[in-house]
Amino acid sequence: QQQVKQSPQSLIVQKGGISIINCAYENTAFDYFPWYQQFPGKGPALLIAIRPDVSEKKEGRFTISFNKSAKQFSLHIMDSQPGDSATYFCAASKGNFNKFYFGSGTKLNVKP
Amino acid sequence: KAGVTQTPRYLIKTRGQQVTLSCSPISGHRSVSWYQQTPGQGLQFLFEYFSETQRNKGNFPGRFSGRQFSNSRSEMNVSTLELGDSALYLCASSSGGTSTDTQYFGPGTRLTVL
Repeated sequence: QQQVKQSPQSLIVQKGGISIINCAYENTAFDYFPWYQQFPGKGPALLIAIRPDVSEKKEGRFTISFNKSAKQFSLHIMDSQPGDSATYFCAASKGNFNKFYFGSGTKLNVKP
Repeated sequence: KAGVTQTPRYLIKTRGQQVTLSCSPISGHRSVSWYQQTPGQGLQFLFEYFSETQRNKGNFPGRFSGRQFSNSRSEMNVSTLELGDSALYLCASSSGGTSTDTQYFGPGTRLTVL
């Protein structure tokens, strides 16, 4: 049973547009939600993360929106650039442990 | 600061063999986690070591094992390889070993089982 469900599987966005990736979870014990970016041939790299006590976190062009009651969180990439083309993973952990449950990934393609 | 290094980068083995993968964390990092990445199952947690002790374990069979040395370097071993073990094996290190410490992933070892 997948603990974190991610959608869409793939996404095509025009340069300058907004990319939105969604994740949902069932386990209310999850208390830390990071997003990772992975380029081909590389390991995932932490992009931005949020705790459930805040509803939104912004870092540059990247924003996480968090809805605790709906058990959903999403990544918004503003002004998407071709260099943002990569696979994005949401993840969740609980109890301050280094054990992360990852979503299935979203392959983003930003068209120039 | 050098990043997380994994060796070898590519490996081809046959069914029934065993394999050992190595991970060198960022200097000063005490936590090393291992993940299996496949197109079908995505990223799945294998185990985490902190100061030479296994702290967390995922839902993988006992054929998958690991260890961590006093210099924080870690090895992962898979015995009696199966075709389904073909995957990218990633390790990640972090400094303090708590979930909010940034996890830095290595480039992975691509294992192909024939």
